Amino acid sequence: EVQLVESGGGLVQPGGSLRLSCAASGFTFSSYEMNWVRQAPGKGLEWVSYISSSGSTIYYADSVKGRFTISRDNAKNSLYLQMNSLRAEDTAVYYCVPGGYSSWFDPWGQGTLVTVSS
Amino acid sequence: NFMLTQPHSVSESPGKTVTISCTRSSGSIASNYVQWYQQRPGSAPTTVIYEDNQRPSGVPDRFSGSIDSSSNSASLTISGLKTEDEADYYCQSYDSTPWVFGGGTKLTVL
Repeated sequence: EVQLVESGGGLVQPGGSLRLSCAASGFTFSSYEMNWVRQAPGKGLEWVSYISSSGSTIYYADSVKGRFTISRDNAKNSLYLQMNSLRAEDTAVYYCVPGGYSSWFDPWGQGTLVTVSS
Repeated sequence: NFMLTQPHSVSESPGKTVTISCTRSSGSIASNYVQWYQQRPGSAPTTVIYEDNQRPSGVPDRFSGSIDSSSNSASLTISGLKTEDEADYYCQSYDSTPWVFGGGTKLTVL
């Protein structure tokens, strides 16, 4: 069974940093493109970042470019999102999701909540 | 970058058919696949349609997807509505730069 377990969320002050992790199991993680997608409270889905299966290609949404860094460790079946200079508008549930050019976004984990507030 | 525009909400009665539209602002809707995701309250999204009109295993055939180049839009049609279909639905596509979600449509089955 495919499982994606996000962790690392929590309450952080504006300007602070947080590192999200996603532990993947039940599929060949190293073969899959991966993404972070977020959802602010009561709002819609927003794609945040993409990383190719090898890690050689990375994209960011304009809203997080220069502040967030996506990475992966295929040996550990793990995806990461380093978030710096956090703002109130970054408050959201963050989901890690396989998908990209070769497949749709599926399945979705349960997400981890990041709250940026003083 | 392009945008995908969906109606904010739709409502229909059980047993009826509803169609949710997703209009692409620039570039051809046919140039890249469209996906549809269902999100029930308090749950993560799940895929109901991928690659314009394909249903994942386990999704009932009451769900169907299509694209219309003349209106540059995609549509999700749900027939034989059930109360369990009440959820938010998001379309998604991409271009040379990455992935775009529609704003979501709240489906109420009443």
